[in-house]
Amino acid sequence: GNSVTQMEGPVTLSEEAFLTINCTYTATGYPSLFWYVQYPGEGLQLLLKATKADDKGSNKGFEATYRKETTSFHLEKGSVQVSDSAVYFCALNGGTSYGKLTFGQGTILTVHP
Amino acid sequence: GAGVSQSPRYKVAKRGQDVALRCDPISGHVSLFWYQQALGQGPEFLTYFQNEAQLDKSGLPSDRFFAERPEGSVSTLKIQRTQQEDSAVYLCASSLETATDTQYFGPGTRLTVL
Repeated sequence: GNSVTQMEGPVTLSEEAFLTINCTYTATGYPSLFWYVQYPGEGLQLLLKATKADDKGSNKGFEATYRKETTSFHLEKGSVQVSDSAVYFCALNGGTSYGKLTFGQGTILTVHP
Repeated sequence: GAGVSQSPRYKVAKRGQDVALRCDPISGHVSLFWYQQALGQGPEFLTYFQNEAQLDKSGLPSDRFFAERPEGSVSTLKIQRTQQEDSAVYLCASSLETATDTQYFGPGTRLTVL
């Protein structure tokens, strides 16, 4: 079946630092890949997505590229802000699990001023 | 229109009680999903509806869990004879048409079973 593995957190950075959160997946076929973010006290929000190999999803300065050869979808941001502090979830949809999103365990990001 | 809404936002139940959790999807969205999120974990799939048809219930953990969407809009997740291990946040999501469209999540219902 499908699975998603994220780098373990928590991740603590200073403002304006570079961010990478690693995500690798296992799936058959050609799943769609997502990053969702959960800000404190709020629900899950879609941050970005990519639906086919070599696609780059981007939003709010965050980027992730769908790498089929390495089965990865790493999240990056060049300069984080305090307001980026949240929990980030990598997820996939498709493959053998049509319809259901399969999530990683989440990575807590804390950004200090 | 408005996003996905869920009620109640918080529910405390005594072990053995039945609970009902409600989800109002985005208007016009065909697909609706329920997920369970344990503390410190990612959400896990419970069940999926396309209109009023429940197409996948493979994630429901036991026969105490039951979901319905009788008119293809509002959905209710019911848990009978709640146990402590049912304590979690229950998330509802909807998507416009097919199951592979982007899913939009509600704020969740935090269930605590004492």
